[in-house]
Amino acid sequence: EVQLVESGGGLVQPGRSMKLSCAASGFTFNNYDMAWVCQAPKKGLEWVATISYDGSSTYYRDSVKGRFTISRDNAKSTLYLQMDSLRSEDTATYYCARHYRSGDFFFDYWGQGVMVTVSS
Amino acid sequence: DIQMTQSPASLSASLGETVTIECLASEDIYSNLAWYQQKPGKSPQLLIYYANSLNDGVPSRFSGSGSGTQYSLKINSLQSEDVSIYFCQQNYDSPYTFGAGTKLELK
Repeated sequence: EVQLVESGGGLVQPGRSMKLSCAASGFTFNNYDMAWVCQAPKKGLEWVATISYDGSSTYYRDSVKGRFTISRDNAKSTLYLQMDSLRSEDTATYYCARHYRSGDFFFDYWGQGVMVTVSS
Repeated sequence: DIQMTQSPASLSASLGETVTIECLASEDIYSNLAWYQQKPGKSPQLLIYYANSLNDGVPSRFSGSGSGTQYSLKINSLQSEDVSIYFCQQNYDSPYTFGAGTKLELK
């Protein structure tokens, strides 16, 4: 069974940093591109970033470029999102998601999500 | 950015009814369209991809259609477990944008 379990969320002050993790199991992690997708409270979904199966390529939405870094450790089957210079508008539930297949930017498995609240 | 406009924003239907949700893209997305179901308090689940391909394990009462800029999700014979928010998403061009969602409730 495919499982994606996020951790690392919580309350953080504006301008500070936070790192999210996503532990994957039930599939061959290093065969799949992975992504982070967020959902602000009572709002819709927003793709944040994607990393290729081997970590060689990364893609970001403009609003997080230069502030967020997606990475992965295939030996540990773990995906990360380093979030720096956090803003109030980054407040959201962050989901780890598996790409259906390499090059396809839709997602067939999602984690349960982790809440990030940016507030002073 | 490609804008995805969903309609209606909310929908109330009876058990056994057929419902249709529409999604309009601001430009041609060449059938690179996915539909997701999000039940209350849960993460999204992929229903349909490439506009009309049913994901594994999704009941056959769900179907997708459309091309160009106009797409739709149809649910035949509505069941109580279909109460959810439904999102469309274009995977044609970055940033990969979602519709605002359609909240489906039982009448």
